[in-house]
Amino acid sequence: AQKITQTQPGMFVQEKEAVTLDCTYDTSDQSYGLFWYKQPSSGEMIFLIYQGSYDEQNATEGRYSLNFQKARKSANLVISASQLGDSAMYFCAMREGWAAGNKLTFGGGTRVLVKP
Amino acid sequence: EAGVTQFPSHSVIEKGQTVTLRCDPISGHDNLYWYRRVMGKEIKFLLHFVKESKQDESGMPNNRFLAERTGGTYSTLKVQPAELEDSGVYFCASSQERGSSPLHFGNGTRLTVT
Repeated sequence: AQKITQTQPGMFVQEKEAVTLDCTYDTSDQSYGLFWYKQPSSGEMIFLIYQGSYDEQNATEGRYSLNFQKARKSANLVISASQLGDSAMYFCAMREGWAAGNKLTFGGGTRVLVKP
Repeated sequence: EAGVTQFPSHSVIEKGQTVTLRCDPISGHDNLYWYRRVMGKEIKFLLHFVKESKQDESGMPNNRFLAERTGGTYSTLKVQPAELEDSGVYFCASSQERGSSPLHFGNGTRLTVT
């Protein structure tokens, strides 16, 4: 079974609108972490936001927020007020257990294209 | 601070040849990781160094792949001999601590085996 599932291979969003990128995960660990990375066309992987399994509040970083629903095992990324520079590939990833360091399991990614 | 740098950015080699990828992590980062994304697949973990020691190499696909990190600074990933299915993007990443410290990725090396 997939450990990280991103069901949206691609999506369009209008500039200045908000967009939600779906991510569901599967783990039996109680301690885990969820990450979102952005990969623009230039290729680099840019860290966006992190949510720990024991964090009670949803993580936020500027225009990025993570809608963490632990019971549903989902960690959706919300980008508010989309900008043209947000066009990129977005990856959800999970670290299972504290001993795993940063051995991450990635989803297949969602390509976002922001329209002017 | 300089980010994670990888060399080369692109490499095209023939099947059976040898290629060596290099990664320079962020200075002071003890943890260094290799990941790769082959065409149409997810990004997959290859291995993890803590300083010069291999902490976890469970993701290495086979013995044609050899990773080293002599002196605990830069790392190399050698593929010998390369096969067609090795084509993909190889990412190096580093982090300072475990747990919630995010990985800082390099731009990747795109390897094409013909």
